[in-house]
Amino acid sequence: DAGVTQSPTHLIKTRGQHVTLRCSPISGHKSVSWYQQVLGQGPQFIFQYYEKEERGRGNFPDRFSARQFPNYSSELNVNALLLGDSALYLCASMRTRSTDTQYFGPGTRLTVL
Amino acid sequence: GENVEQHPSTLSVQEGDSAVIKCTYSDSASNYFPWYKQELGKGPQLIIDIRSNVGEKKDQRIAVTLNKTAKHFSLHITETQPEDSAVYFCAASIEDDKIIFGKGTRLHILP
Repeated sequence: DAGVTQSPTHLIKTRGQHVTLRCSPISGHKSVSWYQQVLGQGPQFIFQYYEKEERGRGNFPDRFSARQFPNYSSELNVNALLLGDSALYLCASMRTRSTDTQYFGPGTRLTVL
Repeated sequence: GENVEQHPSTLSVQEGDSAVIKCTYSDSASNYFPWYKQELGKGPQLIIDIRSNVGEKKDQRIAVTLNKTAKHFSLHITETQPEDSAVYFCAASIEDDKIIFGKGTRLHILP
């Protein structure tokens, strides 16, 4: 079975630009979560989506938004990029909303210049 | 909110010896404790997890212990091998909805 896939693998943007990151969960998984991992730190929770609805949000500004599509894939959008948004963005999928294990994708490395 | 502390930040172990990584959490409502291994350029990979109704769990060379009273949990790797070199993260969550990670431990297996 294919694992969680993310695209693109790498991305370079400049300050003020907008970025869209994509994630496809494991087949049969209905929940997708997004995490930001700054170099040298553990991943930080951004959003969780389940059945196309936002079920949780971390402590991130409104410049960060996401959505989940009918096929359970998801997009993370970041507006007005700042240098501090440079990080590895990870997507994790889970079969249901709770009582299950989250499996992570390889991440998208975003560099903001 | 939940806070997870992890130590040590770096650990060097002779090949064949055991490695122990310790974590504490703050929210007594947390009931799920996964451990992830992250290799360079890859996403975190789940290696073992434990739920609050269990005190210990073992999978081959890897074991995790949980002390809910003290809010401590630990990862034990026995008979370490070169491929165990990586960054390890402990984490805690309530019903798996939002996983709070520790800052990670970089494990070096020395030849």
